[in-house]
Amino acid sequence: SQQGEEDPQALSIQEGENATMNCSYKTSINNLQWYRQNSGRGLVHLILIRSNEREKHSGRLRVTLDTSKKSSSLLITASRAADTASYFCATARANSKLTFGKGITLSVRP
Amino acid sequence: DVKVTQSSRYLVKRTGEKVFLECVQDMDHENMFWYRQDPGLGLRLIYFSYDVKMKEKGDIPEGYSVSREKKERFSLILESASTNQTSMYLCASSLDTGFYGYTFGSGTRLTVV
Repeated sequence: SQQGEEDPQALSIQEGENATMNCSYKTSINNLQWYRQNSGRGLVHLILIRSNEREKHSGRLRVTLDTSKKSSSLLITASRAADTASYFCATARANSKLTFGKGITLSVRP
Repeated sequence: DVKVTQSSRYLVKRTGEKVFLECVQDMDHENMFWYRQDPGLGLRLIYFSYDVKMKEKGDIPEGYSVSREKKERFSLILESASTNQTSMYLCASSLDTGFYGYTFGSGTRLTVV
């Protein structure tokens, strides 16, 4: 069963702009993770935020988590053409496997 | 860096064949997973394993089985391949889902004709 749902399904922006992607989920979680997938390849882990954290940064990535609203957002600042990919959120409950959303397709136009 | 290696990038098999998809990780991860990815459906968990010789069904185990005889290797078996098993198959491993992300292999795109 799909736990996370990303929004929007597709996003197209100009290079240099910021990209914001959202994820909502239904049940309580231990942590939430974001992954990137380049076309036809495996997923790459970007960032993990635990349920007791509200915000986390990694380079140009900023993730927020609001457990009261059961939602998360991923912000990519100063986007580049190389950021063009699909992005997935995934949720984990305690001692449990990850459940992935269906993904967001991000296109960054040069 | 942990590496997860899937034996084939592309595979074409005939309906009814028995198909083996191999996955090897080079770090000491207990947890290994097999997902399939289809357009519009995202990633769906087929089977996972928390230890050697241990396996648990995921969300869509029908038509599949797995084998984990050694810690580093997790094999997915399609007992009798069918056209609806044409998909991208992704293997992943993890040290501890509570604190670490998954490391994925590059995927195997399987076509069943």
